[in-house]
Amino acid sequence: EPEVTQTPSHQVTQMGQEVILRCVPISNHLYFYWYRQILGQKVEFLVSFYNNEISEKSEIFDDQFSVERPDGSNFTLKIRSTKLEDSAMYFCANTDRPFGKLFFGSGTQLSVL
Amino acid sequence: RKEVEQDPGPFNVPEGATVAFNCTYSNSASQSFFWYRQDCRKEPKLLMSVYSSGNEDGRFTAQLNRASQYISLLIRDSKLSDSATYLCVVQPSGNTPLVFGKGTRLSVIA
Repeated sequence: EPEVTQTPSHQVTQMGQEVILRCVPISNHLYFYWYRQILGQKVEFLVSFYNNEISEKSEIFDDQFSVERPDGSNFTLKIRSTKLEDSAMYFCANTDRPFGKLFFGSGTQLSVL
Repeated sequence: RKEVEQDPGPFNVPEGATVAFNCTYSNSASQSFFWYRQDCRKEPKLLMSVYSSGNEDGRFTAQLNRASQYISLLIRDSKLSDSATYLCVVQPSGNTPLVFGKGTRLSVIA
């Protein structure tokens, strides 16, 4: 099965610091998503991205968050000034059509101290 | 009312047992329905889509009742490897994000 790769697998940061989470999508799967899951909670949609722009975002995705494809392949999620409540598992997901079958990456566990 | 609601469990069942999970959703206009499986601290993986006519994949059977806004997953002949959290997932329309339930935890015991 195709794989979405995420790095790092774990990220520990101090409150107020910037973090960048990275994702290498499946080749030719041009629809990108970020989801997050706080420990013990449900998986929540953050943002969808296609053709170099955000197509949809949730209330969680505020001005502290941004996404981009800096080099046309990797897909990144940046959190400018992390808060304690940003601690969660962040999953990148990828499809070959809008909201088609989602292939999730293995996730980045972000811990904000 | 929560968008997608599931019994959190845990369901502890012996190997070989049949177990059923239920899920209700609040948006009556929802179009697509899925069951995902999530192992501890891993990513969700699609188990199966759920169709109005009901569908089966080996030991797994999924059913949808649109009138009651209810989805079910039946696992027959449970294996130890079925131990995981099962996520009920709803897509309100073709171009909207998936909405996940919190999941139902299953432990299959030898």
